[in-house]
Amino acid sequence: NAGVTQTPKFQVLKTGQSMTLQCAQDMNHNSMYWYRQDPGMGLRLIYYSASEGTTDKGEVPNGYNVSRLNKREFSLRLESAAPSQTSVYFCASSEESAYSGNTIYFGEGSWLTVV
Amino acid sequence: GNSVTQMEGPVTLSEEAFLTINCTYTATGYPSLFWYVQYPGEGLQLLLKATKADDKGSNKGFEATYRKETTSFHLEKGSVQVSDSAVYFCARASGSARQLTFGSGTQLTVLP
Repeated sequence: NAGVTQTPKFQVLKTGQSMTLQCAQDMNHNSMYWYRQDPGMGLRLIYYSASEGTTDKGEVPNGYNVSRLNKREFSLRLESAAPSQTSVYFCASSEESAYSGNTIYFGEGSWLTVV
Repeated sequence: GNSVTQMEGPVTLSEEAFLTINCTYTATGYPSLFWYVQYPGEGLQLLLKATKADDKGSNKGFEATYRKETTSFHLEKGSVQVSDSAVYFCARASGSARQLTFGSGTQLTVLP
């Protein structure tokens, strides 16, 4: 069972370069999320998509854009990478909103280094 | 505001020791509460959850009780194993944004 698949797993970028992190889920979930994980700070939400065709900003959206391409896919784009965006990025999905107790399923993470 | 505060790590225990990782939250209302676990090199996975006050979530020998009086959701296990070594995250649902707010994580190392 694939679950949530994200690519690439590792990436090194130079400051100012752009890149897109891809994410796909095969669980027919409505909601999808992008988080970043930094040491001592837990996970912070970048953007989320409550359903196909909608996207909303999370806690730390600056420097990122997202696209909910269809129900399965939710991509995260860095238009001009900065060293502060060095982090581990996690894509996740849930059937519905997490508020009512729905489990969020995470991908394995993408390690991004900006030099 | 909405926040989650959990016990700072790292925590190092011997095998078969008792584990407690404290977690408190701020909230309006009674949001669902979760514990997620992250093993080395992997993404987070749900360990247990509780969706209303006084509920007890349990899984793999871990337990946590939703205490509205103390706004807490402490994680406990009676006898830890080396395989429990991981980072543990407490989280609460955030109704306005339909997503989870995570604590900073607690690194647990269990020694044989």
